[in-house]
Amino acid sequence: ELKVEQNPLFLSMQEGKNYTIYCNYSTTSDRLYWYRQDPGKSLESLFVLLSNGAVKQEGRLMASLDTKARLSTLHITAAVHDLSATYFCAVDISRNDMRFGAGTRLTVKP
Amino acid sequence: SQTIHQWPATLVQPVGSPLSLECTVEGTSNPNLYWYRQAAGRGLQLLFYSVGIGQISSEVPQNLSASRPQDRQFILSSKKLLLSDSGFYLCAWSVRRPEQFFGPGTRLTVL
Repeated sequence: ELKVEQNPLFLSMQEGKNYTIYCNYSTTSDRLYWYRQDPGKSLESLFVLLSNGAVKQEGRLMASLDTKARLSTLHITAAVHDLSATYFCAVDISRNDMRFGAGTRLTVKP
Repeated sequence: SQTIHQWPATLVQPVGSPLSLECTVEGTSNPNLYWYRQAAGRGLQLLFYSVGIGQISSEVPQNLSASRPQDRQFILSSKKLLLSDSGFYLCAWSVRRPEQFFGPGTRLTVL
């Protein structure tokens, strides 16, 4: 059974701190996606990681992919309140389909 | 550029009533279309996806159905809503590879 597991599911951190969200998956996919969802809103695409070793950065967020370990990380550097949201990873499982993790709800406190 | 619309934005319906949610995409042809449901504070559950007109794949057996009458139109329906149908319904589209782009969503409350 395909599993996409995010860890942690809930994360409360202070502004200025660093932290990493992990996404483990059980299929042999070589593409992984990160999305952001603000409360009551839709999902916004953050990163598309297309190959083993891929690393992408946008502002205080950096995502990486290790397809051999079936692991992706989303690293937060010097968190600010505006980063508070739920973050989802998702994995290709076929040409037409992808599976999402349960999401990590991040709260950044002043 | 591509845009995706969903309506209504919010909906409050009594148990046992019918449902019709609509999703349309502009600016692309022959997209894959998806319906997801998100219960309060939870992750995404894929309900249906479609790779073309009249082609619907169901992921979860339930009292919902989907139709794709036109290339860029995807409809989610129910004949009789249940309390458990409450949630945030998201439509998404993709072309080429599976990266999906989401619509604004419909928040459904069944009372």
